[in-house]
Amino acid sequence: GAGVSQSPRYKVAKRGQDVALRCDPISGHVSLFWYQQALGQGPEFLTYFQNEAQLDKSGLPSDRFFAERPEGSVSTLKIQRTQQEDSAVYLCASSLGQAINYGYTFGSGTRLTVV
Amino acid sequence: SQQGEEDPQALSIQEGENATMNCSYKTSINNLQWYRQNSGRGLVHLILIRSNEREKHSGRLRVTLDTSKKSSSLLITASRAADTASYFCATVTSGGSYIPTFGRGTSLIVHP
Repeated sequence: GAGVSQSPRYKVAKRGQDVALRCDPISGHVSLFWYQQALGQGPEFLTYFQNEAQLDKSGLPSDRFFAERPEGSVSTLKIQRTQQEDSAVYLCASSLGQAINYGYTFGSGTRLTVV
Repeated sequence: SQQGEEDPQALSIQEGENATMNCSYKTSINNLQWYRQNSGRGLVHLILIRSNEREKHSGRLRVTLDTSKKSSSLLITASRAADTASYFCATVTSGGSYIPTFGRGTSLIVHP
């Protein structure tokens, strides 16, 4: 596609509910990143994929967070047993190669509100 | 944790004026990137400057990098109301995993 597509655009979840957030990167982009952005803050790194391999998941805040990219294109970020502190915008970004050479293209994000 | 810190946190100017935002960071970098984020939207990549570069231009944007001071600045000349947004710097560290780390951003308001 022309850009990075994220769905849903908005998600309201009851505390304890599981959610799945989807990211469709730009076709052919090898690198894919997930960031979490709290209100008024900068994006915080969650996890990084190169093709289907999850090379870095050091930013995932707890074992309730899980991400996958099984075929090296679409990625899903899953949050189990959501809590209020999980409320944030979740941003996905993709890049043709490593960020030493390229900037990222970001999606519009999924705004998650846990009530 | 955030590597880069933007300054000021908020900036309010009149259309036609120049806007300058600064970014300071702590560890050696491979490159530094500037992004813009309009309210409720994703980030848009503006400029990437490498550690061996001192200045880059793109249209009305000018980015400088001073590795000795571990700082960068973004200058927007002849600002327009449409430039109203948050601006973030992101650093990619040397010898690391090449994952950009973002600062908290500068909120720019340009009054028509």
